[in-house]
This record gives sequence, structure tokens and C-alpha cells, in this order.
Amino acid sequence: EAQVTQNPRYLITVTGKKLTVTCSQNMNHEYMSWYRQDPGLGLRQIYYSMNVEVTDKGDVPEGYKVSRKEKRNFPLILESPSPNQTSLYFCASSLSGSSHNEQFFGPGTRLTVL
Amino acid sequence: QKEVEQNSGPLSVPEGAIASLNCTYSDRGSQSFFWYRQYSGKSPELIMFIYSNGDKEDGRFTAQLNKASQYVSLLIRDSQPSDSATYLCAVNVDSWGKLQFGAGTQVVVTP
Repeated sequence: EAQVTQNPRYLITVTGKKLTVTCSQNMNHEYMSWYRQDPGLGLRQIYYSMNVEVTDKGDVPEGYKVSRKEKRNFPLILESPSPNQTSLYFCASSLSGSSHNEQFFGPGTRLTVL
Repeated sequence: QKEVEQNSGPLSVPEGAIASLNCTYSDRGSQSFFWYRQYSGKSPELIMFIYSNGDKEDGRFTAQLNKASQYVSLLIRDSQPSDSATYLCAVNVDSWGKLQFGAGTQVVVTP
């Protein structure tokens, strides 16, 4: 089944404790992206990756890191989480970085930072 | 900051009626427009996309695009309780596929 997977789905952690949220897609997509979703603010892009050689900041990159060592994986790293990073996170992928390509979303990771 | 605006709702629609959702965007250069449906606690799923001015129909859904006025709308005909969800408007804002999302309109279909 073609899909985007994320782990963990739910995470409660404490301020300052490094964490990684994994994202993997099995559709051979070039383009991958991370979003956070907060009430009233919609989906905001954190980072994106055009391919394994190119990653770049989105609209809200502060406090986050990403890496793209393989085409299928795009982990999101929070080196020192803070309470304002409590949010619902989605990974998405699309065939390529084209304006016409649909983005497929993972199931989401609900993160709470205490 | 390129903006995408939607009424937050909730939009209450009787079962069987037409739900009309609107979205305006600020970037005149945008070429692609998407409507995603998101059930509570779930991920967004694409229901419609439109690239050209005019109407595009897919089953009970019709997307309408007017680039001159910078708005895109979604009509849901014969609304069903299963259509109760939040509908996200997304606009492509660069040539590399970046999407700018609106905050979403919550639709509630009442039996």
C-alpha cells in the first residue's frame, strides 16, 4: 500500500529532551515536507526537501532540524524541545517539486512538550 | 507573507443541501489550487485540485477558480453527514511545489 508513515503517533516529553520524529514514504517521491498544525493557524511548513541533496527552511523552521540521507526517509529533529513546539505534526510527500503535484500526508504525530 | 484566507465556520448545512466554501489568496502568481478534507484527528486528504479558471466537477464536488479576483471556491452538493469535516484550501506559491494553507472551514452537516 502506497503510504507515508510517521512514528511515533503520540509523544509526551519534557523541555530540553532531544527527540526525533521519523517519516518514511514508499512511493519513490522526490519531494518531502514537514508541517505543524495549530488551532486557528492551519498547516505551516517547517522544512522541505526537493531531493536527497536539497533541503531548505519553510515558514517556521526555528527549533527544528531535518536530514535527507535517503529518498524515502525525512526525519524531523527537535534538539531542545520547548512547550511552544507542542503541536500536531504532519509529514507529506509528492512525486516531485512541481506546482501541480498532489501532496500525500502521513497520519500525524501529536507532540506535547511539558 | 503570502496569505490564504478562509472563513473558519462552523458552516452548518442541512443534509441534502449545498455547502459553499470560499477561499481567497494574495499571490497573483499562484497556478495550482487544492482542496483537502480533514476529519478530526486525521490527516488531510486531497478531494479536488484546479489549475484553470472556471469550474471543475468531480462527483458531488465542484471547484471554481477565478484568478482575476483571486478566489477559489468549493461546492458540495447533496451534503451528507459524512461530509462533516474541516476543508483546507491550499495554494501553490512557488514553482517547486510549496503549498500555503488556509486555516480551514469547518462544515457540519445536520440530519
